[in-house]
Amino acid sequence: AQRVTQPEKLLSVFKGAPVELKCNYSYSGSPELFWYVQYSRQRLQLLLRHISRESIKGFTADLNKGETSFHLKKPFAQEEDSAMYYCAPPSSGGGADGLTFGKGTHLIIQP
Amino acid sequence: DVKVTQSSRYLVKRTGEKVFLECVQDMDHENMFWYRQDPGLGLRLIYFSYDVKMKEKGDIPEGYSVSREKKERFSLILESASTNQTSMYLCASSPGTSGVRNEQFFGPGTRLTVL
Repeated sequence: AQRVTQPEKLLSVFKGAPVELKCNYSYSGSPELFWYVQYSRQRLQLLLRHISRESIKGFTADLNKGETSFHLKKPFAQEEDSAMYYCAPPSSGGGADGLTFGKGTHLIIQP
Repeated sequence: DVKVTQSSRYLVKRTGEKVFLECVQDMDHENMFWYRQDPGLGLRLIYFSYDVKMKEKGDIPEGYSVSREKKERFSLILESASTNQTSMYLCASSPGTSGVRNEQFFGPGTRLTVL
């Protein structure tokens, strides 16, 4: 079975400090992974996907197959980054599958 | 932009009532999903549907059923609401391209309280 783990329920850092939100996965195939974000009183939305290799709002995420990780990073945290972050695991193939989300990490950026 | 709407933002029901949560998407997506979101438990998939009249159980289907009579609409039904079904319910949709990992688009959520 596919598994994704977000070990931190809560992460608090100061504004301007680096941020790393951890996500580890177990999957035997070629993973395609996502990070979703939910800001206060807003709907859950895609932040970035592994395959695009882009930086969104200063965040990047690199797939490390050796460590089976897909950690989300930002060099300098901003207060508006405070939100719930969910890592989404690889697909089992086909468009019909739902996403088995990680349990989420609540990121708090302190001023 | 994809628009996923849910019929209610807040809902209060009594134990034993039958509850209907409606979700509509306007982007002709094949796949639709229902999740519940609880603190510390993240998002858990209840049911999903990959076509009209098709449904598949997710991780926690007990106590729920679904209906997809039209492509754009996916309903979640609580046959007899119980207090442990108090939660935030999220609907989502995604395109159905087979073999491609697709982004899901979420509705605003329905916060259901069962008294």
